[in-house]
Amino acid sequence: GAVVSQHPSWVICKSGTSVKIECRSLDFQATTMFWYRQFPKQSLMLMATSNEGSKATYEQGVEKDKFLINHASLTLSTLTVTSAHPEDSSFYICSASTTNTEAFFGQGTRLTVV
Amino acid sequence: KNQVEQSPQSLIILEGKNCTLQCNYTVSPFSNLRWYKQDTGRGPVSLTIMTFSENTKSNGRYTATLDADTKQSSLHITASQLSDSASYICVVIFMMNTGFQKLVFGTGTRLLVSP
Repeated sequence: GAVVSQHPSWVICKSGTSVKIECRSLDFQATTMFWYRQFPKQSLMLMATSNEGSKATYEQGVEKDKFLINHASLTLSTLTVTSAHPEDSSFYICSASTTNTEAFFGQGTRLTVV
Repeated sequence: KNQVEQSPQSLIILEGKNCTLQCNYTVSPFSNLRWYKQDTGRGPVSLTIMTFSENTKSNGRYTATLDADTKQSSLHITASQLSDSASYICVVIFMMNTGFQKLVFGTGTRLLVSP
C-alpha cells in the first residue's frame, strides 16, 4: 500500500520555541493532506485540511497563526507549531490522499513541550 | 450534523474468541466508510474500505459489513489474537461540493485481547 512518512516520530522542545513536523507521501502524489491531533484515549481530531497550492482550511477552534501548515508540493506538507506551550503537547498525525481514494496515515509525531 | 458513533467504547475478550464492533453514522452525502486499526502511539492503518453499494468486505480475519439504508457498519474479528489489541476506528467520508473529501472519525473502540 501507499506510504506516508512523518518526521520526526517524537520531539521534545522548550516552551516558546517552534517545532516543524513533516509529512511526505513517498509513492503517490497527494492532492489533499490532513493534520490531526490526538489526546490520550481519544479519537483523532481534525485540525486542518490542506490542498496542494492553496491555503489550508482550519477547523473551528484551531489557531491558524499558531499551527502553520504549508503544502507546497504534491508530496510534502509541513505543520509548524509556533511558540509551543505545554498544552500543545499531543500526538500529531498527518494523512494524505488523492481525490476519491483512501487516506493513508503517517506514523504520528509525539510532541512534548517542557 | 455529521457524526460517527462507535460501540462499545472498550472491549476485553479472550484470545481465540470472536468479537463485533459497531459503527453508526449520520454523515451525508456518503462516499465511503473505512475501518482503521490504530496501535498505541502509531498512526491508523486501513483494514477495509466500503462504498455505498458494498455490503461486506473481508481482509483476513477482519470482515466489515455495511447497511447504507440504516447507516450502520460492523467490524467482525474472527479468532482474535493478542496482536489485535488496539483501537479500531470507523471513518466515514463525504465529498464536499469543492470536490475534496472530508473524513469524519468515530471515537473508536479500544479492544484488549487477553491470553
